[in-house]
Amino acid sequence: NAGVTQTPKFRILKIGQSMTLQCTQDMNHNYMYWYRQDPGMGLKLIYYSVGAGITDKGEVPNGYNVSRSTTEDFPLRLELAAPSQTSVYFCASSGASGTRNQPQHFGDGTRLSIL
Amino acid sequence: GENVEQHPSTLSVQEGDSAVIKCTYSDSASNYFPWYKQELGKGPQLIIDIRSNVGEKKDQRIAVTLNKTAKHFSLHITETQPEDSAVYFCAASLANAGGTSYGKLTFGQGTILTVHP
Repeated sequence: NAGVTQTPKFRILKIGQSMTLQCTQDMNHNYMYWYRQDPGMGLKLIYYSVGAGITDKGEVPNGYNVSRSTTEDFPLRLELAAPSQTSVYFCASSGASGTRNQPQHFGDGTRLSIL
Repeated sequence: GENVEQHPSTLSVQEGDSAVIKCTYSDSASNYFPWYKQELGKGPQLIIDIRSNVGEKKDQRIAVTLNKTAKHFSLHITETQPEDSAVYFCAASLANAGGTSYGKLTFGQGTILTVHP
């Protein structure tokens, strides 16, 4: 039972390069999220999606883009990498909740360094 | 928006002792409060959660209490073991005006718990 799978696990980018962080889940969850975790800090929401074709901004969306073409996949795109985007990125998913929150399941993260 | 404060930032206990981590939240409309455990190199894992219609919830050695009036909630771990050593995060979810929260979480800053054998 794979759950939430993130690739790659590690990546080093040069300033100005672009890349896509991949996230896929096999639990048929409608809701998916991207967070970033800076050293010594909690997780901050970048973008989220409530279903295929529907995405919205979280707390810290600047410099990122997302798409959701299928229920399973929710890639995060960095277009022009900046040192401030050095962080650990986590993808999560949960069942549709309506008015009742469902637990979020997290992947093991992508550790990204921008040099 | 919601703001979650978590204390202490580090906590060191002897094996067998109890550990308590406290969080406060700012928006009284928040209605869901999960706790996550994060081990080194791994993603956060849900260990317990509580909803606003409940004051306390327990699962073996772990318990969570919620005081809606004071807007704070706490994680209690009894009979701590070395394998409890990890970073613990609290979080809160604010229901949207339409009643659908979309599950968006606001996290506290984390507590590094070390249990010494």
